[in-house]
Amino acid sequence: GENVEQHPSTLSVQEGDSAVIKCTYSDSASNYFPWYKQELGKGPQLIIDIRSNVGEKKDQRIAVTLNKTAKHFSLHITETQPEDSAVYFCAAHISGGGADGLTFGKGTHLIIQP
Amino acid sequence: NAGVTQTPKFQVLKTGQSMTLQCAQDMNHEYMSWYRQDPGMGLRLIHYSVGAGITDQGEVPNGYNVSRSTTEDFPLRLLSAAPSQTSVYFCASSYKQNTEAFFGQGTRLTVV
Repeated sequence: GENVEQHPSTLSVQEGDSAVIKCTYSDSASNYFPWYKQELGKGPQLIIDIRSNVGEKKDQRIAVTLNKTAKHFSLHITETQPEDSAVYFCAAHISGGGADGLTFGKGTHLIIQP
Repeated sequence: NAGVTQTPKFQVLKTGQSMTLQCAQDMNHEYMSWYRQDPGMGLRLIHYSVGAGITDQGEVPNGYNVSRSTTEDFPLRLLSAAPSQTSVYFCASSYKQNTEAFFGQGTRLTVV
């Protein structure tokens, strides 16, 4: 099955700086790569996603890049704010040959220092 | 718009007891899934359903059963609870498997 590795597990940045979280996946058949933000005591919420036919996608301060050849994708948050503090999960979707659902990374705890 | 509703929010079980975690969505989504979240482990897929009457196993299905008699509901049953099933459980729904998944607020389950 699919395996998703996520780094770092904890990331502390100064408010206003940029944050980058990186993920790698193992199965080249994966075609959908969402990023979720989880605040304490809540369920994960989608913040941005990208499909395998696109190399980059941006939404205001958040961007995702995908390198299919290297099988890695990254989340970029610019001009970080206190409300960006949360746990972020990357995921990959693969269908066929096994479970048809999302495989998640283990998460990155992002801390924004004032 | 309620989205995905999970009940209960908290539950304590004794080893060997059974229970059902409820999940309902009001978005007419075909795809529903259950995940468990353990510290440092991310979310792992337990079972999923691509439509009413169809269910399948995910990555960690042992000890759990599901059914999907309607589009709206997707309950998760623990047959005989074990301490290893202590976790936070999330139900999610989406239009398709590879579209935005909407998660419930989670059920924190402790098995003693």
